[in-house]
Amino acid sequence: GESVGLHLPTLSVQEGDNSIINCAYSNSASDYFIWYKQESGKGPQFIIDIRSNMDKRQGQRVTVLLNKTVKHLSLQIAATQPGDSAVYFCAENTRGGSYIPTFGRGTSLIVHP
Amino acid sequence: NAGVTQTPKFQVLKTGQSMTLQCAQDMNHEYMSWYRQDPGMGLRLIHYSVGAGITDQGEVPNGYNVSRSTTEDFPLRLLSAAPSQTSVYFCASSTGTPITGELFFGEGSRLTVL
Repeated sequence: GESVGLHLPTLSVQEGDNSIINCAYSNSASDYFIWYKQESGKGPQFIIDIRSNMDKRQGQRVTVLLNKTVKHLSLQIAATQPGDSAVYFCAENTRGGSYIPTFGRGTSLIVHP
Repeated sequence: NAGVTQTPKFQVLKTGQSMTLQCAQDMNHEYMSWYRQDPGMGLRLIHYSVGAGITDQGEVPNGYNVSRSTTEDFPLRLLSAAPSQTSVYFCASSTGTPITGELFFGEGSRLTVL
């Protein structure tokens, strides 16, 4: 079946650096992508989303890039802070489906002070 | 506004015991779902519901039952617990519209089956 996966399970960065978390997806019919952040002991929280008719979307210190040609999604975090340490999941939805997203396995971001 | 509330937060069961994980949301969301999270496996969908009286299976439904008698509640039942069901369980809700599929998650229920 279709799946959503991540390139790297763990990413370590220094405080103040920019972080890039990558995600590959295989369902070419996917048209809506979401990034979630999960802090230790908590449920995932919505960060940012992007629709398939867009290549880029920016939020507060975060940017999501979508490359439909190679089915790749990335989350960029500017000036990474210790509070950004968490597991980040990408998820994809397909129009016409149940709108229950399929999650990737997650990347653990570790920010060193 | 409580959002999504899960109980209990922690539970230890013996093999063969049954239990129910409770989930309630106060956002009037039509869509609710249950995920389990295991190390290195991400979030896997167990069951979901698109409205009261309607449920469907997700990726890993075996060993679990659900019902949706009201919009607010979506309990997950383990009929005969097995060690393989040791996991962290998350309930989520969403508006499920074509505009956004953002899920709102509970804090999780950590289940250990001995």
